[in-house]
Amino acid sequence: GENVGLHLPTLSVQEGDNSIINCAYSNSASDYFIWYKQESGKGPQFIIDIRSNMDKRQGQRVTVLLNKTVKHLSLQIAATQPGDSAVYFCAENIASGTYKYIFGTGTRLKVLA
Amino acid sequence: ETGVTQSPTHLIKTRGQQVTLRCSSQSGHNTVSWYQQALGQGPQFIFQYYREEENGRGNFPPRFSGLQFPNYSSELNVNALELDDSALYLCASSLRGRVLNTGELFFGEGSRLTVL
Repeated sequence: GENVGLHLPTLSVQEGDNSIINCAYSNSASDYFIWYKQESGKGPQFIIDIRSNMDKRQGQRVTVLLNKTVKHLSLQIAATQPGDSAVYFCAENIASGTYKYIFGTGTRLKVLA
Repeated sequence: ETGVTQSPTHLIKTRGQQVTLRCSSQSGHNTVSWYQQALGQGPQFIFQYYREEENGRGNFPPRFSGLQFPNYSSELNVNALELDDSALYLCASSLRGRVLNTGELFFGEGSRLTVL
């Protein structure tokens, strides 16, 4: 994949505001998508998923939107908290019989107090 | 906590050496996937094991190999280490059911490999 080194796109949000993190995925045949949160020194942690037959799914404080026409995925976090500070990855999966997920390059979310 | 444990957490090797990384999957999970995450990048799929056989491979050379054991734990072996192999190696377990690709991957904390 593209080598972005340490220069991840960064989103800075005031505590209490809503955050929107965007992701463009690569394959129109992908049928399942996951958003992961990765804190420093830890493995990715599942946030929310969505199948391609849906365009919106809500969890607790999080919403994922899927636009298949333009191959775009977004993660909305309501009332962003300091604990939300992390790198967020979208991951797409093609129904290939494997758990081969293609991860995006990630977005760093910084929550400002 | 995901219940996926990896060892070692950190290790340093020199170019040309071989390394073995280990992973214990979450209880009841029958599928293990390995990912390589270079600094500042997203994880990249190496391969997946199901029923002790490789079942899907990413764009990695044959010097990356693995094993899955009857208890579903797994090893990742890398031969002839190169400097570019320096990365965080993540193991993820999942339960492969009748409907493929359902559910999430449960990641361990990773093994950070530095090749000098």
